[in-house]
Amino acid sequence: EDQVTQSPEALRLQEGESSSLNCSYTVSGLRGLFWYRQDPGKGPEFLFTLYSAGEEKEKERLKATLTKKESFLHITAPKPEDSATYLCAVQGNSGYSTLTFGKGTMLLVSP
Amino acid sequence: DAGVIQSPRHEVTEMGQEVTLRCKPISGHDYLFWYRQTMMRGLELLIYFNNNVPIDDSGMPEDRFSAKMPNASFSTLKIQPSEPRDSAVYFCASSHRTSGSIFEGTDTQYFGPGTRLTVL
Repeated sequence: EDQVTQSPEALRLQEGESSSLNCSYTVSGLRGLFWYRQDPGKGPEFLFTLYSAGEEKEKERLKATLTKKESFLHITAPKPEDSATYLCAVQGNSGYSTLTFGKGTMLLVSP
Repeated sequence: DAGVIQSPRHEVTEMGQEVTLRCKPISGHDYLFWYRQTMMRGLELLIYFNNNVPIDDSGMPEDRFSAKMPNASFSTLKIQPSEPRDSAVYFCASSHRTSGSIFEGTDTQYFGPGTRLTVL
């Protein structure tokens, strides 16, 4: 059974204070690892897909990296508008496989 | 594209009543998913469809829950009778496989805004 564990559960940063969110996973063959952002009262919004260890993707102040056991979402010089819950999900490669989500990291960036 | 559309956005009902949630997926997407999100359990997959056919409903908590997809542009999730423990946010998502084979490609799911259900 695929499993995803995200840490920390919550993170409070000052504006400009860089940090990283962690997503540890176990899956029987990784097809893709997904990062989503969820704002209060809204549905998850897709950010990145990573496919293989060593891959990196960037979007504005966010950079996602992937190893064989975990993924990191690095946030560089965050702004208050980066405050949200960040969700990680994995998809295995056995036939058609659905996404398994972690419980998310709630990020609050204070001005 | 307008994205995934869900209605209603909020539903408040009394225990024992029937609740119907609605979803319109993104045009051209051939997979549709229903999720439930709570603080305790996070996002849980309830059921998913491929080309309007239910594929896996093992996440549906009880027989009180049922889902249908009569055509490619509409799906419903029904709870009858509803109970207070059903209170949660229900999301619909859709996706399109990037390859024709189930052994290739990945599936980015795009979520709707959700329906917040409160059962009193």
